Amino acid sequence: DIQMTQSPSSLSASVGDRVTITCRASQGISNYLAWFQQKPGKAPKSLIYAASNLQNGVPSKFSGSGYGTDFTLTISSLQPEDFATYYCQQYNSYPLTFGQGTKVEIK
Amino acid sequence: EVQLVESGGDLVQPGGSLRLSCVASGFTFGSYSVNWVRQAPGKGLEWLSYISHTAEVAYYADSVKGRFTISRDNAKNSLYLQMNSLRAEDTAVYYCTRDEGFCGSSGCYRWADYWGQGTLVTVSS
Repeated sequence: DIQMTQSPSSLSASVGDRVTITCRASQGISNYLAWFQQKPGKAPKSLIYAASNLQNGVPSKFSGSGYGTDFTLTISSLQPEDFATYYCQQYNSYPLTFGQGTKVEIK
Repeated sequence: EVQLVESGGDLVQPGGSLRLSCVASGFTFGSYSVNWVRQAPGKGLEWLSYISHTAEVAYYADSVKGRFTISRDNAKNSLYLQMNSLRAEDTAVYYCTRDEGFCGSSGCYRWADYWGQGTLVTVSS
């Protein structure tokens, strides 16, 4: 199975900050990586697929990059509605696997 | 509007069984593969199972293989998860997800584009 490791596990940031979350795969997964956002008590929401493509309706302040084993999710200017937990997931092969999540909290 | 609505979650004793359902609307259900994903209380996301749009292909996580069975009824726009031999560690919110994807020369690749709101399964005596 492909292991996905996110860093950091949590971070504190202020409104307006630029935030970057890293996701590393235990083996190469091309660009078959998705990012999801989950707010407390809510279902996850799809943000990005194919490492860098925004899902319909996702604001352009979110961006993704990477290929192979190393990927990043960047939020260009953090807003109050962005405080949430973010997960990466590889879909290169089954079983699909998620990172452990990165909780973005208010500083 | 794409909607996925799960139901069937309940309190069940260890060793018991439960069947979850997910009803889809707002799209042609029979054209999409779908999955079950779960989240234990305070924990991360865990993919459980995939079923192709025709139900010809299914995959399972090792943690549920042999105990859980995924199925679908395209005429009813419905996805199911039959869960047997339930354990305390199966306690979680269960989500269904719809896949988007493509098939290329090296295989088929699918990612979740829509999620349901989830249904809670509690396994406890």
